[in-house]
Amino acid sequence: GAVVSQHPSWVICKSGTSVKIECRSLDFQATTMFWYRQFPKQSLMLMATSNEGSKATYEQGVEKDKFLINHASLTLSTLTVTSAHPEDSSFYICSAREGSGELFFGEGSRLTVL
Amino acid sequence: GEDVEQSLFLSVREGDSSVINCTYTDSSSTYLYWYKQEPGAGLQLLTYIFSNMDMKQDQRLTVLLNKKDKHLSLRIADTQTGDSAIYFCAETGLTGGGNKLTFGTGTQLKVEL
Repeated sequence: GAVVSQHPSWVICKSGTSVKIECRSLDFQATTMFWYRQFPKQSLMLMATSNEGSKATYEQGVEKDKFLINHASLTLSTLTVTSAHPEDSSFYICSAREGSGELFFGEGSRLTVL
Repeated sequence: GEDVEQSLFLSVREGDSSVINCTYTDSSSTYLYWYKQEPGAGLQLLTYIFSNMDMKQDQRLTVLLNKKDKHLSLRIADTQTGDSAIYFCAETGLTGGGNKLTFGTGTQLKVEL
């Protein structure tokens, strides 16, 4: 079946640095990708929706300049957490779909900011 | 905004049936989903139901939908220890052109021997 891969799966960084998380669709063309954030023991909160070749659509309350999303190709979207702080520590999950097809989720990336 | 609620925790004995419940507020919901999340991992789609259906069965899984009461349930027959995980219900409606998934709070299922 289709696979969505995230990298890195776990990253620890110092406060003030920027971290990039990649989301790749391995055997289909992901026309739409979604980025979610999950706090411990909580649900997934949609951060943004990105369509290949266009700007991401951010959910209310999500800072565009803080969470930079790039969907430059049909198989890759990146989320960059700029100037990360401890409150940005979370589990970030991407999902992807081709057209109106099934939505596939990545395994998630755990970010810890010291 | 739309809201999806679940109970937080359920404990069952191995071999028993598990029933996980979910309520939602979006009257325009078109699809409703059940996802499974194991510790430290992403989400795995278990099953889904279209809003004009009231039941769907898939091997050990049975989904019941009461659209009038906006209530969705997932029944797992013969629950096994490997079923221990967090289960999320989710729905899509007209919000976001049907693209936006709204997730429930998640129910942690613990299967005891």
